[in-house]
Amino acid sequence: NAGVTQTPKFQVLKTGQSMTLQCAQDMNHNSMYWYRQDPGMGLRLIYYSASEGTTDKGEVPNGYNVSRLNKREFSLRLESAAPSQTSVYFCASSEATGGTQETQYFGPGTRLLVL
Amino acid sequence: QKEVEQNSGPLSVPEGAIASLNCTYSDRVSQSFFWYRQYSGKSPELIMSIYSNGDKEDGRFTAQLNKASQYVSLLIRDSQPSDSATYLCAVGYTGGFKTIFGAGTRLFVKA
Repeated sequence: NAGVTQTPKFQVLKTGQSMTLQCAQDMNHNSMYWYRQDPGMGLRLIYYSASEGTTDKGEVPNGYNVSRLNKREFSLRLESAAPSQTSVYFCASSEATGGTQETQYFGPGTRLLVL
Repeated sequence: QKEVEQNSGPLSVPEGAIASLNCTYSDRVSQSFFWYRQYSGKSPELIMSIYSNGDKEDGRFTAQLNKASQYVSLLIRDSQPSDSATYLCAVGYTGGFKTIFGAGTRLFVKA
């Protein structure tokens, strides 16, 4: 099993450009998440998807959109990149179904630099 | 605003010593608690999860939870240089899908 995979690993964008970060999991998990990690700030939730067909905002959703394409795939889109979106982005999945939060399994991350 | 607080460190301990990592959280309805380890440039990976008051041991790791004091800790016995990493405390909330992460504590184990 590959677990959680993310593409690309690295990306450099110019301000105003758009891009989509891809995430896929092969653990048959219901829930998927997108986080960003900045120095000294830990992981902050951008969006999550509790199940196929549903998405909800996290702590820092502004400037991002998501799509839960199917149970395996959850993508994050930056429509007009800004330097403040320079960060490391992690996708994660878990078995959580709403009652209790469960262990999250993380992808390797995407390092994004916006110039 | 739900918060999870950790001392950012760095915490430096000699090889073979006990490392003690602490975490406090602000919301009393928190239900599940996790410690993740993150090596530099890598993604977080689960070390321990704990759901009820008391201690939970797994090898050299012990998680301790005190819901009355809103406090969770991680003890690492016989610390090894390979334990040098950032340790993230995470708190999950009842009936929700959100987990709030602390900023992490950097641990250095000196050989």
